[in-house]
Amino acid sequence: SQTIHQWPATLVQPVGSPLSLECTVEGTSNPNLYWYRQAAGRGLQLLFYSVGIGQISSEVPQNLSASRPQDRQFILSSKKLLLSDSGFYLCALGQPQGTEAFFGQGTRLTVV
Amino acid sequence: AQSVSQHNHHVILSEAASLELGCNYSYGGTVNLFWYVQYPGQHLQLLLKYFSGDPLVKGIKGFEAEFIKSKFSFNLRKPSVQWSDTAEYFCAVNAGNNRKLIWGLGTSLAVNP
Repeated sequence: SQTIHQWPATLVQPVGSPLSLECTVEGTSNPNLYWYRQAAGRGLQLLFYSVGIGQISSEVPQNLSASRPQDRQFILSSKKLLLSDSGFYLCALGQPQGTEAFFGQGTRLTVV
Repeated sequence: AQSVSQHNHHVILSEAASLELGCNYSYGGTVNLFWYVQYPGQHLQLLLKYFSGDPLVKGIKGFEAEFIKSKFSFNLRKPSVQWSDTAEYFCAVNAGNNRKLIWGLGTSLAVNP
């Protein structure tokens, strides 16, 4: 069965510091991978999605970037965090035909 | 542009009350429809889905949803809620060849014992 590993679960980082959140998946090959940010009352905001190694689509302009160095690895990064980057970040996988998504446990990021 | 609207942002019910959460989408073609649930402190999980066939779909924990194509709706229902149904509920749509799920803003449900 498909599983998603996302870490860390919580993270506190100072403003201006770099960020690297990692997501790895198991039990599937060539999945679509997604990074979402979830904010209370604002639903799920799609940040990036990837349909394959090295293929990244950015949905919104922001201080973040994403990379997919391997088929089952998706990384969310920033060179310098802003206070506004605080939030709950979710990694998800979906099948290429666009069916349902499976979510990781999420990372609560607090920028101080 | 494709969009999903969830009409109720916050719903408060007593146990045994009936539940209906509205979801409407904007897309004229073939759609896949989903309801996800997020219990407090847990990750998002699929509640039910519709791809084709019987427009009344049944999901886990006694939930069901009805796809009404003419109304572009996919409302979630449960005849009798329990305290354990307290959670946030999200409607999502995957339309046509689009590989992305389009999400509603979510509905927060609180069930009082």
